[in-house]
Amino acid sequence: GQQVMQIPQYQHVQEGEDFTTYCNSSTTLSNIQWYKQRPGGHPVFLIQLVKSGEVKKQKRLTFQFGEAKKNSSLHITATQTTDVGTYFCAGGYGNNRLAFGKGNQVVVIP
Amino acid sequence: GAVVSQHPSWVICKSGTSVKIECRSLDFQATTMFWYRQFPKQSLMLMATSNEGSKATYEQGVEKDKFLINHASLTLSTLTVTSAHPEDSSFYICSAAFSGRIGEQYFGPGTRLTVT
Repeated sequence: GQQVMQIPQYQHVQEGEDFTTYCNSSTTLSNIQWYKQRPGGHPVFLIQLVKSGEVKKQKRLTFQFGEAKKNSSLHITATQTTDVGTYFCAGGYGNNRLAFGKGNQVVVIP
Repeated sequence: GAVVSQHPSWVICKSGTSVKIECRSLDFQATTMFWYRQFPKQSLMLMATSNEGSKATYEQGVEKDKFLINHASLTLSTLTVTSAHPEDSSFYICSAAFSGRIGEQYFGPGTRLTVT
């Protein structure tokens, strides 16, 4: 079935450092979404990417959508303790449903 | 904006009983609502897609007679877990989306169901 793979599943990041999380699909996506879920919370929509090669920035967060629309990345600079949580990507395959990755659980070390 | 609420936030029920979970979009009209199930430290598994005024579309492997979904209005969808068993214990999360913007889903806070 349609699925997206996220790597890594876990990351320990020193406060102040940068990190990247990746999302890959075996088939072409219509779009890709990124969500963040804080411990004990619910997923919160961060961004949607639609165009091939698209890059979007939100303050310290940079989102990229690959040229082939099969992969995406989220890069966070100068990590803060508030960045802790699980980052999910969700691929849209044009069937009005999203396939969520397993998430990248990020722990920030003060 | 785009706030989604769920009720109850947690529920404990006995095996064999039914439980209804409500999902409401508080400040927008959601033509489509989704129901997910999430196990601890796992991803979200889509159970069904609910469109206002029509029958829900269930994912493969999800029993539609066990998980009854009703989307009676543009702001309310309900999930009823019928004849609940301990293996139904989980975190159930709904989300709502604007018409034509399925990717941009707004999630409710979730309902923790424990079946004893």
